[in-house]
Amino acid sequence: SQQGEEDPQALSIQEGENATMNCSYKTSINNLQWYRQNSGRGLVHLILIRSNEREKHSGRLRVTLDTSKKSSSLLITASRAADTASYFCATDGGNTPLVFGKGTRLSVIA
Amino acid sequence: DAGVIQSPRHEVTEMGQEVTLRCKPISGHDYLFWYRQTMMRGLELLIYFNNNVPIDDSGMPEDRFSAKMPNASFSTLKIQPSEPRDSAVYFCASSLGTGFGLRGYTFGSGTRLTVV
Repeated sequence: SQQGEEDPQALSIQEGENATMNCSYKTSINNLQWYRQNSGRGLVHLILIRSNEREKHSGRLRVTLDTSKKSSSLLITASRAADTASYFCATDGGNTPLVFGKGTRLSVIA
Repeated sequence: DAGVIQSPRHEVTEMGQEVTLRCKPISGHDYLFWYRQTMMRGLELLIYFNNNVPIDDSGMPEDRFSAKMPNASFSTLKIQPSEPRDSAVYFCASSLGTGFGLRGYTFGSGTRLTVV
């Protein structure tokens, strides 16, 4: 069964705008990760946030984690056409492999 | 490092035929995972190995599916006999170290399987 559920399922924005994707999960976690998947390619690890962290940055990416609400968000600032991809959250419960959500399809229009 | 290498990239086969998917993980990684991706079900974990030993194959859909890891640099996923509902993209991923995801997974480019 899926642990993480991304929202929205699809998002379309103009280049230069910010994109926000959300992830909700059901059970306690050790960490939460975000991955990107370009069409026809494998998933690429973007960023990891541990359960004792609330916010993390990497370049134009900002991830927040609220363990009380069992939710996370991924913000991509100043989006570019090259950011067009599907984005997945994945949860690590500690003793089991990562469980992935179904992803958010992001389209950035130039 | 060339990353996780999967072959073939595309496979079209007839129902009832045997299909073998191959994976070469990143050298030094001690975990290897096989996932299946479909539009309906998303990414599903099929089986994973630690130090070449299968740990959990509860995600393997049926006895028609089998996986092996004869050494640290090679793994196969076999479907025999194949059925149209097996059509999907199959991913292999590897990771290193304590904890399953502390350093993230590295995925291959996948094998797109079509069973007609």
